[in-house]
Amino acid sequence: GQSLEQPSEVTAVEGAIVQINCTYQTSGFYGLSWYQQHDGGAPTFLSYNALDGLEETGRFSSFLSRSDSYGYLLLQELQMKDSASYFCAVRGGGNKLTFGTGTQLKVEL
Amino acid sequence: DSGVTQTPKHLITATGQRVTLRCSPRSGDLSVYWYQQSLDQGLQFLIQYYNGEERAKGNILERFSAQQFPDLHSELNLSSLELGDSALYFCASSPGSADSPLHFGNGTRLTVT
Repeated sequence: GQSLEQPSEVTAVEGAIVQINCTYQTSGFYGLSWYQQHDGGAPTFLSYNALDGLEETGRFSSFLSRSDSYGYLLLQELQMKDSASYFCAVRGGGNKLTFGTGTQLKVEL
Repeated sequence: DSGVTQTPKHLITATGQRVTLRCSPRSGDLSVYWYQQSLDQGLQFLIQYYNGEERAKGNILERFSAQQFPDLHSELNLSSLELGDSALYFCASSPGSADSPLHFGNGTRLTVT
């Protein structure tokens, strides 16, 4: 099966940098993705890592270490609108895309 | 706008009833996924279809069933509804390759009373 762990909640101030970690267990591995979801809204895709290393997309970066079954999402220059839930998701054996339980990010002034 | 359309947006029904949730994927996407999200919970994978065929199955209850039609739209059928089935049900679509991001619809909020 597949399981993912991420912190339930993170709080940071506007303008700061925050890192949301994700560890996973999966049989077979095709990649780690990150999604953002505002309250009651649809999840939206942020990034995808299939290989080790850092992927940068604007203020957001995502890192993967396959040997450690670990990844993180880095958000820079935090803005109030970044307050949302962030989910890591792993596609493993059986082609299932399994999501973590989500990290609620609160950005404060 | 993700291009994925889900109907209805809200559904209120009684225990024991049966409902059908509908999803139209983005134009060109062959794969459809269904997820359940209960209050303050993560996204629980239910089932995935690719070009009309079931591709992957999650912890979908026997009371639930789904299908993808030749025009690629999909329906999720929930029967013998229980209070615990109250949740937000999301449909997502993708072209189908492993590295393709999912594009989610706005969800159907189901309330079972």
